[in-house]
Amino acid sequence: LAKTTQPISMDSYEGQEVNITCSHNNIATNDYITWYQQFPSQGPRFIIQGYKTKVTNEVASLFIPADRKSSTLSLPRVSLSDTAVYYCLPGGYQKVTFGTGTKLQVIP
Amino acid sequence: DTEVTQTPKHLVMGMTNKKSLKCEQHMGHRAMYWYKQKAKKPPELMFVYSYEKLSINESVPSRFSPECPNSSLLNLHLHALQPEDSALYLCASSQEDRGLNTEAFFGQGTRLTVV
Repeated sequence: LAKTTQPISMDSYEGQEVNITCSHNNIATNDYITWYQQFPSQGPRFIIQGYKTKVTNEVASLFIPADRKSSTLSLPRVSLSDTAVYYCLPGGYQKVTFGTGTKLQVIP
Repeated sequence: DTEVTQTPKHLVMGMTNKKSLKCEQHMGHRAMYWYKQKAKKPPELMFVYSYEKLSINESVPSRFSPECPNSSLLNLHLHALQPEDSALYLCASSQEDRGLNTEAFFGQGTRLTVV
């Protein structure tokens, strides 16, 4: 399984764009990269998934360079409700193994 | 329906009790998962079921016994637990034919306290 490294925590002001980078040096060829958000005492929630280049949906963008050894989750114009832990998962078949995640604190 | 429903939401049990956690989904997903999450830690994978058969057991102690009676239900039977087993237990499901190269749906969890 690909091991991930993310910043443990980040602070951001409301309305700012937040970029969280995850490194996954030994990602397998078939692995996709998935990001989840988790609020306290709730189950993780899918945010976005990609394989290469750029993916965008209504809540976030995901940037993956050509070597796929890292990925960056971009949250545009964060609000207080985006305060949560964000996990990067280079996923393999069946196993979804969480790394330490990044605790994002949005400040008013 | 894109929900994974877990019951109960909270459970307090003694070390000699036997209890069960339940998980249900009606999305037609054929892969289901149990995770354990301690405070301020990431979820840890415990078990994976694929087409109602146990496919992954992450060396979980036998006091935790999973069961998948049908494609919509997943149970976790608990017996002779220790206080250190107190945690949030999360159930998840995903499409089997794409494995985890797809979105996994998580329930809200069962907060278990062992006294």
